[in-house]
Amino acid sequence: KAGVTQTPRYLIKTRGQQVTLSCSPISGHRSVSWYQQTPGQGLQFLFEYFSETQRNKGNFPGRFSGRQFSNSRSEMNVSTLELGDSALYLCASSLFLAPYNEQFFGPGTRLTVL
Amino acid sequence: GDSVTQMEGPVTLSEEAFLTINCTYTATGYPSLFWYVQYPGEGLQLLLKATKADDKGSNKGFEATYRKETTSFHLEKGSVQVSDSAVYFCALSDPPRTSGSRLTFGEGTQLTVNP
Repeated sequence: KAGVTQTPRYLIKTRGQQVTLSCSPISGHRSVSWYQQTPGQGLQFLFEYFSETQRNKGNFPGRFSGRQFSNSRSEMNVSTLELGDSALYLCASSLFLAPYNEQFFGPGTRLTVL
Repeated sequence: GDSVTQMEGPVTLSEEAFLTINCTYTATGYPSLFWYVQYPGEGLQLLLKATKADDKGSNKGFEATYRKETTSFHLEKGSVQVSDSAVYFCALSDPPRTSGSRLTFGEGTQLTVNP
């Protein structure tokens, strides 16, 4: 069974631009979560989607948004990029409400904002 | 809110040494506890988990016991290998019906094992 895939793996953008990251969950998984990983803040939860609906949201500004499609694939968007948005963005999939919330992570998208 | 605190890193050990990485948590309910490992350039992999008090999670020689009385979930391994060099994250998750699949992570501990 294929794992969680994320595209692209690397991105370089400039301040003020916007970016869209993509995540394909494990087949059969209907929940997709996004996390931001930075050296200063560590791993922080962005949001979770299930059945095309945002179910849970972390403490990030409205510039960070996401969506989920009917095939469970998810995208996240960051508008008006700031230098501090440089990070590794990780996607995780799971069976929503599955016991013990076991999450399976993708390799991440490394975003650099110049 | 929920929080996880890990011991300060980085940790450097010689091969075959004993490993302990401390983890304590604060949660309002009865969370599940996890250890994840991240190898260079990769995402996170679940190493082990425990879902209720006194449960012991184990995998690949690593162990951790859910201690509710001390709110701890320390990671141990009796004999580390060079291939264990990675960053280790302690994490918790509240019951899914209250918080979905959200994980709260500790700061991470960089482990380097020298031959």
